[in-house]
Amino acid sequence: DVKVTQSSRYLVKRTGEKVFLECVQDMDHENMFWYRQDPGLGLRLIYFSYDVKMKEKGDIPEGYSVSREKKERFSLILESASTNQTSMYLCASRKGPLGTQYFGPGTRLTVL
Amino acid sequence: KNEVEQSPQNLTAQEGEFITINCSYSVGISALHWLQQHPGGGIVSLFMLSSGKKKHGRLIATINIQEKHSSLHITASHPRDSAVYICAVRSNLSGGGADGLTFGKGTHLIIQP
Repeated sequence: DVKVTQSSRYLVKRTGEKVFLECVQDMDHENMFWYRQDPGLGLRLIYFSYDVKMKEKGDIPEGYSVSREKKERFSLILESASTNQTSMYLCASRKGPLGTQYFGPGTRLTVL
Repeated sequence: KNEVEQSPQNLTAQEGEFITINCSYSVGISALHWLQQHPGGGIVSLFMLSSGKKKHGRLIATINIQEKHSSLHITASHPRDSAVYICAVRSNLSGGGADGLTFGKGTHLIIQP
C-alpha cells in the first residue's frame, strides 16, 4: 500500500518566516508533486519533480521553491511566508507518467 | 489547456438516495480520474478510466469519450459518503497542467441521515 506522509497536519507561521513543508513516500515513485488547494479554485500545481534533484515549475510557483535530494523526499519551501500563502498544501506521488497519483493527508498552513 | 467543469458544485441529499456528479472537459483526454476528499484534507483516488464503466462497491464511474463527459454515481448513499469529489483529466495533447493533469473545482456532497 502506497503511503505518502507530510510532516505536519497544521502549521501556524508569521509573515516573513521561512517555512519548510516535507513530504515522504515509501513506494519508490519517480514523480512527486506539491499542490495548494483554496476554496473555489480547486487544486493548483506549485512544483513537481520527476527525479532526484530535478524540479519543474507548475502553474503557480511564485513565492515557493522545492528540494529533492532523495527519491523518497520532496520539500516545499516558502522563502518568506506571506498571508496569501495561507492554504491547504497537498503532496502527491506517482509511478511513471501514467500511474495513479497518491496524495498525502495535507498540511493546513496559516500565515499570520 | 483543458477546461474541466463539474456539476453540481454543492449537493445535499438524504441517506439512501442515488447520487450523480458530472464532469465535462473540453479537449481529448487519455485518462480521467475521480478523487474523494474527506473533511480533514486527505485525497483518495477512486477511479482512473479511459473508456466505458468501472464499479467499486456502491460507486460507479462512466465515461463517454465522444461527448467528453463522465459521471460518478453513488447508490444507496450514506452519511459517510459526505466528501468533496474531484474530477481530473490527463489531456492527449500537451497543454494540460504541467504534470498533464487538469482538476475540476470539486463537488461538495452532504448526505443527511
